[in-house]
Amino acid sequence: KAGVTQTPRYLIKTRGQQVTLSCSPISGHRSVSWYQQTPGQGLQFLFEYFSETQRNKGNFPGRFSGRQFSNSRSEMNVSTLELGDSALYLCASSAPIQGSEQYFGPGTRLTVT
Amino acid sequence: TQLLEQSPQFLSIQEGENLTVYCNSSSVFSSLQWYRQEPGEGPVLLVTVVTGGEVKKLKRLTFQFGDARKDSSLHITAAQPGDTGLYLCAGAGPLGDYKLSFGAGTTVTVRA
Repeated sequence: KAGVTQTPRYLIKTRGQQVTLSCSPISGHRSVSWYQQTPGQGLQFLFEYFSETQRNKGNFPGRFSGRQFSNSRSEMNVSTLELGDSALYLCASSAPIQGSEQYFGPGTRLTVT
Repeated sequence: TQLLEQSPQFLSIQEGENLTVYCNSSSVFSSLQWYRQEPGEGPVLLVTVVTGGEVKKLKRLTFQFGDARKDSSLHITAAQPGDTGLYLCAGAGPLGDYKLSFGAGTTVTVRA
């Protein structure tokens, strides 16, 4: 089975711009979670989608949003970028079962200048 | 504040030595997972422990889940340079809570 893929791998944006990141889960996985990873805060949960519905949300401002399509692919969007949004954004897919194992993609490295 | 506290934060040892990484919390988890992450890549799942008191062994790695399902440890025997990486523990919450809570991680460096 192909693993989780994320595009793009690297991105440089300017403050105030917006960005959209994409994630394709492992075939058959219907749950997709997004995380932000920074050296200071570690891995922080953004949100989780299942069957095109946001099932869980972390403590991030409304500038961070996401969606999931009928084929389980997911996108996350960050509007009005700030310098502090520079991070590795990770997507993980899993079977939609309580506490099921998550399989991560390689991440998108976002740099905001 | 991290729900899961990992210690130590950094660990540097010589090849062949043993090491233990700890993951502690005041919360009870339905399951706990360990991941290893290498620079520029996403975390890779190593193991999931579910039952309090459970011990799992994967070659030179031994994982324990505390009896109360609040803490866990990862022990590596005869560490090798290939074991170098960021080790993360993650806990699954109560029924209906589908997110994982991650510890801050332990950076392990094994010197040849």
